[in-house]
Amino acid sequence: EPEVTQTPSHQVTQMGQEVILRCVPISNHLYFYWYRQILGQKVEFLVSFYNNEISEKSEIFDDQFSVERPDGSNFTLKIRSTKLEDSAMYFCASSAWTSGRASYEQYFGPGTRLTVT
Amino acid sequence: LAKTTQPISMDSYEGQEVNITCSHNNIATNDYITWYQQFPSQGPRFIIQGYKTKVTNEVASLFIPADRKSSTLSLPRVSLSDTAVYYCLVGDRGSTLGRLYFGRGTQLTVWP
Repeated sequence: EPEVTQTPSHQVTQMGQEVILRCVPISNHLYFYWYRQILGQKVEFLVSFYNNEISEKSEIFDDQFSVERPDGSNFTLKIRSTKLEDSAMYFCASSAWTSGRASYEQYFGPGTRLTVT
Repeated sequence: LAKTTQPISMDSYEGQEVNITCSHNNIATNDYITWYQQFPSQGPRFIIQGYKTKVTNEVASLFIPADRKSSTLSLPRVSLSDTAVYYCLVGDRGSTLGRLYFGRGTQLTVWP
C-alpha cells in the first residue's frame, strides 16, 4: 500500500536555527498538507498546497514558515528561525483530487518530532 | 463550520463492540462526516466517511440518522490494538481546500 514518508523522524535544533522537514507524498496525489501536534494537544492545520502554490494557510503559518515542492516527489516545510514553541510533531499529508475537489480522505505520514532547545 | 462533541474517553474489553457517538447539531447540507484514528506518536489515519444512513467498510461502520445531527462510529469486536484516539470531523466536501479540523477526539482504551 502506498504511504507518505517523512524525514527525519526526529530533529533537534537550537532556537533561532533554520530547519527543513521533508515529506514524500503518495505519488498520484495532488493535494499536500502540513499539520502539527504539540505534545498533548490537538492536531492543528498549518498549510495546504496544490498546483505549486499555497491553497490555504492557518494563522500559525506566519512568515517564519514556508513550503516548497522542489521536484516531482518531495514536499518540504521550512521554519526559518525556530522558537521554543515550535517544538511539536509535524505531520505531512496528501490527498487525491476527487470530483474537482480535495478529498477529506487524507493520508498522513509518520511525523517528524521537532525539538527546539 | 459545524462544531462536534464527542466523549473524552471510553473503555472497552477485547471482543466487544464499541460505539462512539459524535454530535454535530449545526451540520450543514453539504457537510460530510469523517472519522480518523490516531495511535500515539503516529499520524491520524482515515477510517470512514459518510453523508447519511449507514456506511460500512472492512474496519468500521458509520451510522448517521436522518436528521444528521449526530453520528456513531461502530467498531466490531475490538482488540487491544484498537486503543487509540478517534476523531469525528465534519466538513464541506464542496470546498476545494480539504483542510481538516481536529478536535480533542475520544480516547478509546481496550482492556484484555
